Amino acid sequence: NAGVMQNPRHLVRRRGQEARLRCSPMKGHSHVYWYRQLPEEGLKFMVYLQKENIIDESGMPKERFSAEFPKEGPSILRIQQVVRGDSAAYFCASSPYRDRITSGANVLTFGAGSRLTVL
Amino acid sequence: KNEVEQSPQNLTAQEGEFITINCSYSVGISALHWLQQHPGGGIVSLFMLSSGKKKHGRLIATINIQEKHSSLHITASHPRDSAVYICAVRGSQGNLIFGKGTKLSVKP
Repeated sequence: NAGVMQNPRHLVRRRGQEARLRCSPMKGHSHVYWYRQLPEEGLKFMVYLQKENIIDESGMPKERFSAEFPKEGPSILRIQQVVRGDSAAYFCASSPYRDRITSGANVLTFGAGSRLTVL
Repeated sequence: KNEVEQSPQNLTAQEGEFITINCSYSVGISALHWLQQHPGGGIVSLFMLSSGKKKHGRLIATINIQEKHSSLHITASHPRDSAVYICAVRGSQGNLIFGKGTKLSVKP
């Protein structure tokens, strides 16, 4: 029973390129959360998705960032026209339940993160 | 001022020492979480608590709702405890608000 799988673990992009980060949730988990950890900063919530639906994107920058969780395949966080300030670690977590209701991080399993470096 | 403050930011201890990491928050919460982030980056959930105290092995977490404060204690610390410990609170909107973490280094 594999945990939350994120890839790539490390991604280097030049300014203006696109970055795609993938997250495969744990088996049986249909709720996915993306968090961003800037250097020397704490984790910050970006977006919460269920299969084929964006539930809460209040933490997502309005421009250049998008997220999806298709019926088949991993969740994808897409950053268009990357800038140096996008350099960060992006973590995905999954849960079998709606996190807001259960309020349990103990049912929230994190991936190892994807580290994006923008040159 | 951040909604979740942790102290200390960095902590170095000798193996065997008793360790305390503190977390203060300024918002109303439904629950508080302690997470451990390993040097490789992976994050593990340690505790979720909304009142009182929880214990798991050498780890103890306490929370005082009135004072808006939580502590994470590690007894008989070991070098393998070296990690970043993150406090996160679940606010009224339901999402997690994270502290910046406390970097712990336990020397043999």
